[in-house]
Amino acid sequence: EAGVAQSPRYKIIEKRQSVAFWCNPISGHATLYWYQQILGQGPKLLIQFQNNGVVDDSQLPKDRFSAERLKGVDSTLKIQPAKLEDSAVYLCASSIGTDSGELFFGEGSRLTVL
Amino acid sequence: DQQVKQNSPSLSVQEGRISILNCDYTNSMFDYFLWYKKYPAEGPTFLISISSIKDKNEDGRFTVFLNKSAKHLSLHIVPSQPGDSAVYFCAASVYGNQFYFGTGTSLTVIP
Repeated sequence: EAGVAQSPRYKIIEKRQSVAFWCNPISGHATLYWYQQILGQGPKLLIQFQNNGVVDDSQLPKDRFSAERLKGVDSTLKIQPAKLEDSAVYLCASSIGTDSGELFFGEGSRLTVL
Repeated sequence: DQQVKQNSPSLSVQEGRISILNCDYTNSMFDYFLWYKKYPAEGPTFLISISSIKDKNEDGRFTVFLNKSAKHLSLHIVPSQPGDSAVYFCAASVYGNQFYFGTGTSLTVIP
């Protein structure tokens, strides 16, 4: 079974530039999550999708972050414009459903903002 | 607001001994808890879970204990092996929704 795929693995940009991350969840997984993990901290949920609908985006900085999950499969997370404090690893995870428990994580996309 | 806390940033244990990793939470509504293991440059991988109807769950060398009254859970690894060296995160949720993660404990198992 293929795992959660993310790209790019690494990205370096200057502040005020834009960046986009892509995630392809495990086939058949209805729920998709984007987490932000800043160095030395635990993952923080940014947004949770159930199929192509948003379940929770309360911690997403909507003035600069946006995410979509068209057709309920893969998803993109965009940051525009980026700030220095956005430097982090962006983790995508998926699960079978909202109450099924285990999350399966991708390897993450490491963003460095200079 | 840190709802899940791991107060020990690091832990060193001799190979063969027991490793005990601790996690505290503040939200009494949490009813499902997981432990994840993370190696450098990789995403977290699921280790073991426990629901609030239980106070213990075992899987091989890994056992998770839940004390609901104290809002505390712990992960025991016996015996510890060098390959267990990683960062361990606990996570908590309500009905499997919106998982909150702790800040992680870096475990080093010394051969």
